[in-house]
Amino acid sequence: DAEITQSPRHKITETGRQVTLACHQTWNHNNMFWYRQDLGHGLRLIHYSYGVQDTNKGEVSDGYSVSRSNTEDLPLTLESAASSQTSVYFCASSGDKETQYFGPGTRLLVL
Amino acid sequence: KQEVTQIPAALSVPEGENLVLNCSFTDSAIYNLQWFRQDPGKGLTSLLLIQSSQREQTSGRLNASLDKSSGRSTLYIAASQPGDSATYLCAVDDYKLSFGAGTTVTVRA
Repeated sequence: DAEITQSPRHKITETGRQVTLACHQTWNHNNMFWYRQDLGHGLRLIHYSYGVQDTNKGEVSDGYSVSRSNTEDLPLTLESAASSQTSVYFCASSGDKETQYFGPGTRLLVL
Repeated sequence: KQEVTQIPAALSVPEGENLVLNCSFTDSAIYNLQWFRQDPGKGLTSLLLIQSSQREQTSGRLNASLDKSSGRSTLYIAASQPGDSATYLCAVDDYKLSFGAGTTVTVRA
């Protein structure tokens, strides 16, 4: 069955370190998205991609970057982790104008 | 900027009662509206997707309506069960998804 996976599921890091969160989907979807979920803010879009080599900034992109070198993967990099980036991160993918399928999430703690 | 509001923020009902969850949005130029379910510590599961040209969508005990002109959608869950306890999120797609904060539902046995 097609799926979307995220790794790691839990991560503890220190302020200033670079962190990369992986997202892999086997749906063959063109569209991929990264969100963060925080109490009081709900889900907010960080970056998204509509295909290979395409990336776009979302609502809360400062301090994050993505690259899309193939259809299946959209890794999210925190250039220099900050305590404000402690959150739960969700990756999602979709076909054009179709429902988004979400991964299980990565819980990130920045100390 | 699209703003999505869900009321109420939390709801507690006895088993068997029908649930009514509300979602409102500010910009009616949307492709579709989606309802998701999220269990504690888990990802989101898609429940229903309503295309902008549709008025409603049904799946089992779930029915969602969409009124684009007034910027409103309602999710109805018939004959609620304890297993329906979760957070329900509304998301509007106007080129990208904008989420409401969710309604946390507790169904008491």
